[in-house]
Amino acid sequence: EVQLVESGGGLVQPGGSLRLSCAASGFTFSDYEVNWVRQAPGRGLEWVSYISSSGSTIYYADSFKGRFTLSRDNAKNSLFLQMNSLRAEDTAIYYCARGGYYGDRWGQGTLVTVSS
Amino acid sequence: DIQMTQSPSSLSASVGDRVTITCRASQSISTYLNWYQQKPGKAPNLLIYVASNLQGGVPSRFSGSGSGTDFTLTISSLQPEDFATYYCQQSYSTSWTFGQGTKVEI
Repeated sequence: EVQLVESGGGLVQPGGSLRLSCAASGFTFSDYEVNWVRQAPGRGLEWVSYISSSGSTIYYADSFKGRFTLSRDNAKNSLFLQMNSLRAEDTAIYYCARGGYYGDRWGQGTLVTVSS
Repeated sequence: DIQMTQSPSSLSASVGDRVTITCRASQSISTYLNWYQQKPGKAPNLLIYVASNLQGGVPSRFSGSGSGTDFTLTISSLQPEDFATYYCQQSYSTSWTFGQGTKVEI
């Protein structure tokens, strides 16, 4: 069964850092591009970042450039989103989604709360 | 950035109704348009990809159409499990953008 499982969310103070993980199983992870999408409480979906199957190409939405870093370890079937300089407005559920043009499988999400 | 505008933002419908949701792109995106359904507390679920292709396992009452800047998602006969929020998403550019969502309520 195809699965994506996010972890690493939690409560962090403004200015702090968190590292989110996305663990994949049930498919050949190294064949797939992955996107991160977030959803603030009661709000819509917002694209965060993209990584190619090899990890050689990465894109970020402007709001996250310089603060977030996306990487992957294909040997461990895992993806990592390092988030620095977090702000209250970064409070959201963060999802990883398999696919480059569309997300055909999504994880359950991990909640990040930025608050003092 | 390509902006995606959905309408309506919400709608009330009954079981058995035909429902149509529209999505407009700020520039032509060919058919790089996808539709998702999201239920409360759950991740989005892909319904339609590349404008009109039904994702595996999705009931045939869902259909998509359009190209260029104007797209529609149609539910031919609304079922109780279809009450949810629907999002369009463009993948013409490397940075995805989503519509603001359409909440389908009873």
